[in-house]
Amino acid sequence: GAGVSQSPSNKVTEKGKDVELRCDPISGHTALYWYRQSLGQGLEFLIYFQGNSAPDKSGLPSDRFSAERTGGSVSTLTIQRTQQEDSAVYLCASSTGTSSDTQYFGPGTRLTVL
Amino acid sequence: AQSVTQLDSHVSVSEGTPVLLRCNYSSSYSPSLFWYVQHPNKGLQLLLKYTSAATLVKGINGFEAEFKKSETSFHLTKPSAHMSDAAEYFCVVRPLGGATNKLIFGTGTLLAVQP
Repeated sequence: GAGVSQSPSNKVTEKGKDVELRCDPISGHTALYWYRQSLGQGLEFLIYFQGNSAPDKSGLPSDRFSAERTGGSVSTLTIQRTQQEDSAVYLCASSTGTSSDTQYFGPGTRLTVL
Repeated sequence: AQSVTQLDSHVSVSEGTPVLLRCNYSSSYSPSLFWYVQHPNKGLQLLLKYTSAATLVKGINGFEAEFKKSETSFHLTKPSAHMSDAAEYFCVVRPLGGATNKLIFGTGTLLAVQP
């Protein structure tokens, strides 16, 4: 079956511009996660959705970062006024939402801020 | 706070020889532990997971890991390396309880396999 998909696969933007990254989870998965992978920080958690609610936003690095999920499916991660330090690969994962479930990852969006 | 430490940033082996990637965890109780693999320009793939059942966990592609509570370790092994095993490997812990199932990743071990 289809896995987690993310778009775009690559995004190049100029400093100060806003960007939107999209994640389509596996059908039926109620839990959705955003992570960031960068050279300096490794792989770090950003935000977790259960359904349309976000019970854990603790990983969002600043108020320039926000995310939403609608219809319990697609999620969008928005970064406002991008900075060069936002350059990273943004990974989305989804799972069934139970305590012992497995998170399945998408291929990621590589964001480059010039 | 729970965390994992991957003791080697790079490991190089010859094809056909054993692989050992080391991971130690920090937790006040038995956590859920995972190994994920990331091939170049590919997404993360789950190799195996430990969730307090058998301490020896078998995964895909011939990999396995043993949970040792006394040593707080979860090392990944494979008897015989293949060229296709060259990738980056992440040891991961999932904190129990709370309002999240977030994963906490180690810093990764890059495995090189020499012909």
